[in-house]
Amino acid sequence: AQTVTQSQPEMSVQEAETVTLSCTYDTSENNYYLFWYKQPPSRQMILVIRQEAYKQQNATENRFSVNFQKAAKSFSLKISDSQLGDTAMYFCAFGAGYSTLTFGKGTMLLVSP
Amino acid sequence: EAGVAQSPRYKIIEKRQSVAFWCNPISGHATLYWYQQILGQGPKLLIQFQNNGVVDDSQLPKDRFSAERLKGVDSTLKIQPAKLEDSAVYLCASSLSGGEVTEAFFGQGTRLTVV
Repeated sequence: AQTVTQSQPEMSVQEAETVTLSCTYDTSENNYYLFWYKQPPSRQMILVIRQEAYKQQNATENRFSVNFQKAAKSFSLKISDSQLGDTAMYFCAFGAGYSTLTFGKGTMLLVSP
Repeated sequence: EAGVAQSPRYKIIEKRQSVAFWCNPISGHATLYWYQQILGQGPKLLIQFQNNGVVDDSQLPKDRFSAERLKGVDSTLKIQPAKLEDSAVYLCASSLSGGEVTEAFFGQGTRLTVV
């Protein structure tokens, strides 16, 4: 069974600064996908970024980028130029083959002015 | 493109009562998920449908929870009888793929409070 661990329950950052959220996972699969989802107070989970394990290049979506270390089973999310609207719970998720997504417990990110 | 629709948004019931949640996935999405998210935790899968067949219901408390997906489109999740520990947000999600995991799109969830 896969496990996803997010060791930071809460993080704070000031507007315009950069913050990195950590995620580690455990799996015996070789081909899989990793995701970061954002859940604002409205509760709707929104996909932030996705990484295929077979790709060595780290995924980037505007201000969001990942540092994917397959050997270390690490998948961190870097948010550059943080904005107030980035305040939310962030969940790391793992998916492989035909199984469902497995989520971590989440990191609450607070962006302050 | 319309997103995943869920209703109701909020529900308060007394313990031992029954409740039902409804989900309408994105059109054409073959896979539908129901997740339970307890406050402060990540979503936990309750059941996964592929079209109208069940792929995974290993974490569904079958003595009180049931779910169906008629005609491979809409789905309902029922709890009967409810317990205090069922208080949570119930999230429905759907994905396009015919099986292999891809991006899941989520609805806004139903917040259930059992008193």
